[in-house]
Amino acid sequence: QTVVTQEPSLTVSPGGTVTLTCASSTAAVTSGNYPNWFQQKPGQAPRALIYTTSNKHPWTPARFSGSLLGGRAALTLSGVQPEDEADYYCLLYYGGALVFGGGTKLTVL
Amino acid sequence: QITLKESGPTLVKPTQTLTLTCTFSGFSLSTSGVGVGWIRQPPGKALEWLALIYWDDDKRYSPSLKSRLTITKDTSKNQVVLTMSNMDPVDTATYSCAHTKKGPSWGPAVMNYWGQGTLVTVSS
Repeated sequence: QTVVTQEPSLTVSPGGTVTLTCASSTAAVTSGNYPNWFQQKPGQAPRALIYTTSNKHPWTPARFSGSLLGGRAALTLSGVQPEDEADYYCLLYYGGALVFGGGTKLTVL
Repeated sequence: QITLKESGPTLVKPTQTLTLTCTFSGFSLSTSGVGVGWIRQPPGKALEWLALIYWDDDKRYSPSLKSRLTITKDTSKNQVVLTMSNMDPVDTATYSCAHTKKGPSWGPAVMNYWGQGTLVTVSS
């Protein structure tokens, strides 16, 4: 069973930059895993942010960007806003199956 | 405007079969490249992908739950149904459905619109 690992928690100051990563237990994450990223605030449904590594949805703020970094998928937030405090989940594709990461709780402090 | 809403029992007993319905609007499951996925989230825990069904009736299941899951669609009713057999207290979670796109520009599965989810508790 593939395990997808994210940082459990990160803290960033308002206006700062933070990178969240997403690693696979089986091999390096590549574009063939079509990484997706989601944001979830308490009591709300997840909101899609990034698909196929780096593509943004129409509603995704410009400060969010996706990439591959050192064998992992990465989500970078530049110029963090207080409203970015949330849980973030990555999602990877494995030849027909999808696996979510364990999530990163981002605190803006 | 795409919307999805999950419905089903809020409480099921251990060993029972859970049946959930996702009723959607704003898109058709007869359109090429369109699908509906199911995801669950135990209280305070991470998201877990369960199953997907596409417009062409292609079905995908989580390998760890495949033996317990069945996903079907009723295109005329704009509904997707997920059944999960042999429910256990560890299956207590919020179950959500999501509009999914597939294609050259999207990749194999992009879940871009989500329902609010429905909490299912498994208890005797």
